[in-house]
Amino acid sequence: GQQVMQIPQYQHVQEGEDFTTYCNSSTTLSNIQWYKQRPGGHPVFLIQLVKSGEVKKQKRLTFQFGEAKKNSSLHITATQTTDVGTYFCAGPNTGFQKLVFGTGTRLLVSP
Amino acid sequence: DADVTQTPRNRITKTGKRIMLECSQTKGHDRMYWYRQDPGLGLRLIYYSFDVKDINKGEISDGYSVSRQAQAKFSLSLESAIPNQTALYFCATSDFKDTQYFGPGTRLTVL
Repeated sequence: GQQVMQIPQYQHVQEGEDFTTYCNSSTTLSNIQWYKQRPGGHPVFLIQLVKSGEVKKQKRLTFQFGEAKKNSSLHITATQTTDVGTYFCAGPNTGFQKLVFGTGTRLLVSP
Repeated sequence: DADVTQTPRNRITKTGKRIMLECSQTKGHDRMYWYRQDPGLGLRLIYYSFDVKDINKGEISDGYSVSRQAQAKFSLSLESAIPNQTALYFCATSDFKDTQYFGPGTRLTVL
């Protein structure tokens, strides 16, 4: 079945360093969504990308959707302790009935 | 989101017991979902429902059942709980863009 993988599984950075997580789907996606889950919390929607090659920014966060619409990335510039959490990508399955979530990347930021 | 509530928030039970997790939403969404989260495995879909009369199995439905009592209510049952069902369970709703809105989660421990 459709699989969505993320790398790395875990990353520990010093505050101020940059961070990138990569998302790869086994199938072409109509769109990709990104979610953030703070420790002890629930996933919260961040953004949706739809177009091939699309780039969107939210303050220090930059999201990209690959040209082939099978991969995506989230880059955080100059991390802050508030960025701590697990970041998930998700894409609709082939039948557009549900989202398939990636395995997640857990980010730890040390002050 | 406060618009999606789950009860109980924490539950400890014993092997063989029947457990029901409840979810309510005030977002007015037709689509509701139950996910299970385990460390390193991301979010896995148990069941989903597009309306009161539409119930569908997700990727890990074995050992679980659901009931959609109303548009706003979606319950998950473990007929006979077993230890490997110990996990964090999330209910979610979605709009027409498939953006998922998660409840706060239920932490279930099966001894």
